[in-house]
Amino acid sequence: QSALTQPASVSGSPGQSITITCSGTSSDIGGYNSVSWYQQFPGKAPKLIISDVDRRPSGISDRFSGSKSDNTASLTISGLQADDEAVYYCSSYRRITTFYWVFGGGTRLTVL
Amino acid sequence: EVQLLESGGGLRQPGGSLRLSCEVSGFKFNLFAMTWVRQAPGKGLEWVSGLSASGDRTYSADSVTGRFTISRDNSKNTLFLHMNSLRVDDTAVYYCARVTPNNWFDSWGQGTPVTVSS
Repeated sequence: QSALTQPASVSGSPGQSITITCSGTSSDIGGYNSVSWYQQFPGKAPKLIISDVDRRPSGISDRFSGSKSDNTASLTISGLQADDEAVYYCSSYRRITTFYWVFGGGTRLTVL
Repeated sequence: EVQLLESGGGLRQPGGSLRLSCEVSGFKFNLFAMTWVRQAPGKGLEWVSGLSASGDRTYSADSVTGRFTISRDNSKNTLFLHMNSLRVDDTAVYYCARVTPNNWFDSWGQGTPVTVSS
């Protein structure tokens, strides 16, 4: 059960925008709209920030946005702020012979 | 307020067993599927096991199939993870999470650490 593919790290300056990609297959990202993104700070539990590819849960800043094209999902953070510095994970429902969930390896965002 | 509280983590030797619990409050537990996700030290998130709202369907990652069993007691609003034949690479913080009908995890517990070492 291989993970989804994310870049290990990205960086940006305050005010800039960054995009984190998440590559999968037609059995997960490409086949379903259940892509979600999670933000995790050190020592803390993950927090849902994007669901259903591009929906923001209540309370999540509109600086966070999601999208999907074929087998690749993307998370864009605009107007970078210092407190966006965290690790971001994508996740998708996957169905092959059975169904399960899979995560990306995580992307560490550094705000310069 | 939705709350999930894991417990039961600890230190075990390889080959040992452990039962994790996740007590929830603030929502109708019997209406939601639930899941366990783990995170090894310094590593990323790994989905472990999931369970339907009624408890009649379970799903597990290949890495734990045959060793871990997920279950729930809807009368006690509690999710369990029964862990047998523990291995060193099962060392991780284990999180329980609520699964929405659209298959994402909208609420997480704070995690309980499991260490497998001789």
